[in-house]
Amino acid sequence: QQPVQSPQAVILREGEDAVINCSSSKALYSVHWYRQKHGEAPVFLMILLKGGEQKGHEKISASFNEKKQQSSLYLTASQLSYSGTYFCGTAPNTGNQFYFGTGTSLTVIP
Amino acid sequence: ETGVTQTPRHLVMGMTNKKSLKCEQHLGHNAMYWYKQSAKKPLELMFVYSLEERVENNSVPSRFSPECPNSSHLFLHLHTLQPEDSALYLCASSGIGFSYNEQFFGPGTRLTVL
Repeated sequence: QQPVQSPQAVILREGEDAVINCSSSKALYSVHWYRQKHGEAPVFLMILLKGGEQKGHEKISASFNEKKQQSSLYLTASQLSYSGTYFCGTAPNTGNQFYFGTGTSLTVIP
Repeated sequence: ETGVTQTPRHLVMGMTNKKSLKCEQHLGHNAMYWYKQSAKKPLELMFVYSLEERVENNSVPSRFSPECPNSSHLFLHLHTLQPEDSALYLCASSGIGFSYNEQFFGPGTRLTVL
């Protein structure tokens, strides 16, 4: 039921790009993306609703392929502040459920 | 106070103790949630409250008992816990309908059960 994220971990140098994928076995109404730094609460990045839209947030953007129940988070020209664990969260079409993904640890080094 | 606050931040309890976790949101939201975050496991949604009514209980053992006296406060009452219940417990709030609203998280309570 919980979406699967890939990769599990990635290390980048400043300025490099990364893609994090999120895949669900359920038909989805929405996909959310959050970032959690060590010892802190998860912080919201963006929501994508079914309809296949793509969203952007500075140098972080995401897409949602409703037919494949997949979402991807794109981080471009990474900065040190991007380090943390990224979680996708999925809301299925039916029911009052919300599932967080397995998480992707991203480390940006100088 | 702003955002979502949780108390206590750390809690150590024995298996026979009774304790409560408190969450307060200052955002005017009408939905509140309890999550459990264990090491190396995804965040697990435990309970959902919308307009002070419990709308979801994800097969959580009865030793966890939530309470939502009003739209700003949420409690999690703990009784006869097991060591495997040790985890970070996060509270979150949002507008009604988490399918299309962002959730704001509190800092969490780090619970250790001895």
